[in-house]
Amino acid sequence: QITLKESGPTLVKPTQTLTLTCTVSGFSVRSAGVAVGWIRQPPGKALEWLALIFWNDDTRYSPSLADRLTITKDTSKNQVVLTMTNMDPVDTGTYYCAQKGYGGYYYAYWGQGALVTVSS
Amino acid sequence: EIVLTQSPGTLSLSPGERATLSCRASQTVTSIYLAWYQQRPGQAPRLLIYDASSRATGVPDRFSGSGSGTDFTLTISRLEPEDFAIYYCQQYGNSPVTFGGGTKVDFK
Repeated sequence: QITLKESGPTLVKPTQTLTLTCTVSGFSVRSAGVAVGWIRQPPGKALEWLALIFWNDDTRYSPSLADRLTITKDTSKNQVVLTMTNMDPVDTGTYYCAQKGYGGYYYAYWGQGALVTVSS
Repeated sequence: EIVLTQSPGTLSLSPGERATLSCRASQTVTSIYLAWYQQRPGQAPRLLIYDASSRATGVPDRFSGSGSGTDFTLTISRLEPEDFAIYYCQQYGNSPVTFGGGTKVDFK
């Protein structure tokens, strides 16, 4: 059974750096073809894709946020980590990690999401 | 980047009725690389359709997808109570992947 679970702070202050961890089970982040991404959703708004990391450490970033994002993985813990610098209240929302489908860049399995509020 | 416009914003229907949701792209989506997701309140999105018309594992056959180029459609043949939710389209044929703004299907 494939599961993903996000963890991290629920509250961060403006200008701080956010670090979120996605712990996966049911598959290995180092298995050929595997990729895990992050998608966020402001309250009451639509989904926004952020970043993706492949089993071979290849990465992709949203062009509008690339200068603030870093995605890495820890194969020993079967985790994927997203950092976002210089947080702002507009970054408030639910952050999801999800496994990319094997056939394309859709997302077949999702975590439950982690709500992050940016406020002083 | 490709902008996806979903219409209508809200669709008010009754159980048993047919729902037709539209997703229009600002430019041609490469191949048929379009997906549909369902999101119920307080839950994560759930993949319904990928490659425009392929149902994901476990998705009932009352859900179907069609379209190509810039116009795509999600059809729910007969609405069940659990189908009242928000639906998002996503294109993944062009980088970066983008999502539509969503269509809410609610009770009439």
